[in-house]
Amino acid sequence: EAGVTQFPSHSVIEKGQTVTLRCDPISGHDNLYWYRRVMGKEIKFLLHFVKESKQDESGMPNNRFLAERTGGTYSTLKVQPAELEDSGVYFCASSQDQGWMNTEAFFGQGTRLTVV
Amino acid sequence: DAKTTQPPSMDCAEGRAANLPCNHSTISGNEYVYWYRQIHSQGPQYIIHGLKNNETNEMASLIITEDRKSSTLILPHATLRDTAVYYCIVPQFGNEKLTFGTGTRLTIIP
Repeated sequence: EAGVTQFPSHSVIEKGQTVTLRCDPISGHDNLYWYRRVMGKEIKFLLHFVKESKQDESGMPNNRFLAERTGGTYSTLKVQPAELEDSGVYFCASSQDQGWMNTEAFFGQGTRLTVV
Repeated sequence: DAKTTQPPSMDCAEGRAANLPCNHSTISGNEYVYWYRQIHSQGPQYIIHGLKNNETNEMASLIITEDRKSSTLILPHATLRDTAVYYCIVPQFGNEKLTFGTGTRLTIIP
């Protein structure tokens, strides 16, 4: 079974440009999360989808970030316009819906974004 | 999330058991203890989780104290590939997001 896949693995863009990251969760996983690690900092939560709905977007840094999950399958995270401080590694994760019980999350290998 | 405290770094000899401690004194009765690790620049990897009973799987064992205020992750026979940053996480009950913190950087020594 395929794990969580992310595209691209690396992206280098200029400040002010737009970048779109894609995440394909494990098939059948209703929960999809975005996290990021900025250089030298901790891994931080960005947002959580349950199917196509945003359950929690409290970690989104500002309105330059837009996440979508049309149809409840893959998700995209768009940064427009990109700033230098957006550089980092963006991780996507997915998990099954277990209702009352927390479950393990499966992470992708991340997209390394460099804004120059 | 309940706050967790871990030592910043540990070393362990290859082939020996690695015991990674975690304090979570503010944990609530229905909150689970999770362990993840991140090997170099890879995505975080789930290891194990538990509520109150000790747990074991093919990767590790989790020992939770009776008062649930602390736990220990045990890698029974550490290999060089276990060198990673290990995160002890106690998500708020019903909240799916993970708060990673700084973790413990475990180095396996040949």
